[in-house]
Amino acid sequence: DAGITQSPRYKITETGRQVTLMCHQTWSHSYMFWYRQDLGHGLRLIYYSAAADITDKGEVPDGYVVSRSKTENFPLTLESATRSQTSVYFCASSVADRNTGELFFGEGSRLTVL
Amino acid sequence: GQQVMQIPQYQHVQEGEDFTTYCNSSTTLSNIQWYKQRPGGHPVFLIQLVKSGEVKKQKRLTFQFGEAKKNSSLHITATQTTDVGTYFCASPRSSARQLTFGSGTQLTVLP
Repeated sequence: DAGITQSPRYKITETGRQVTLMCHQTWSHSYMFWYRQDLGHGLRLIYYSAAADITDKGEVPDGYVVSRSKTENFPLTLESATRSQTSVYFCASSVADRNTGELFFGEGSRLTVL
Repeated sequence: GQQVMQIPQYQHVQEGEDFTTYCNSSTTLSNIQWYKQRPGGHPVFLIQLVKSGEVKKQKRLTFQFGEAKKNSSLHITATQTTDVGTYFCASPRSSARQLTFGSGTQLTVLP
């Protein structure tokens, strides 16, 4: 049972470059989420998706783009990376509306923007 | 801003001592979840509380949801080194379909 996997686990890039973080889940969960984790800020929601082709903004969406053409994949793209986007990014999924369902997190992708 | 405030930010305890972390909100919460994140790891779901005044136990961990559903606590009895990590509470935002996390309490257990 692979669960939810993220790639790459570690990435170093330069300011202005485009970066895509991949997220894949094998449970067929309806909901998927992208969070970023920074010291002093806990986990902040970037984007989420209720189903394939349905996405919505979270708390900190600026500078990010998501898509969800298939239920199992939810890539996060930084169109032009900035230093402030240096963070640990977590993908998560939930079988139901997060109001009633627990989140299952991936291992995280640590991104450094130079 | 965040819906829930979590305190303390850091807590160092001697192994065997108790530990408590608190989450407080100015508004009524529909439910609250708790997660644990080990150093270098990812958050892992512990429990969800839904009812006013609810108390749930998992071995040495006791979770409470306040009567007014505006606060919650996680208490660990007789901490062990395996309890090390950051504990987060999380709750849906009242006006949006988003789960908002508290800033977390980082627990260090000294042997």
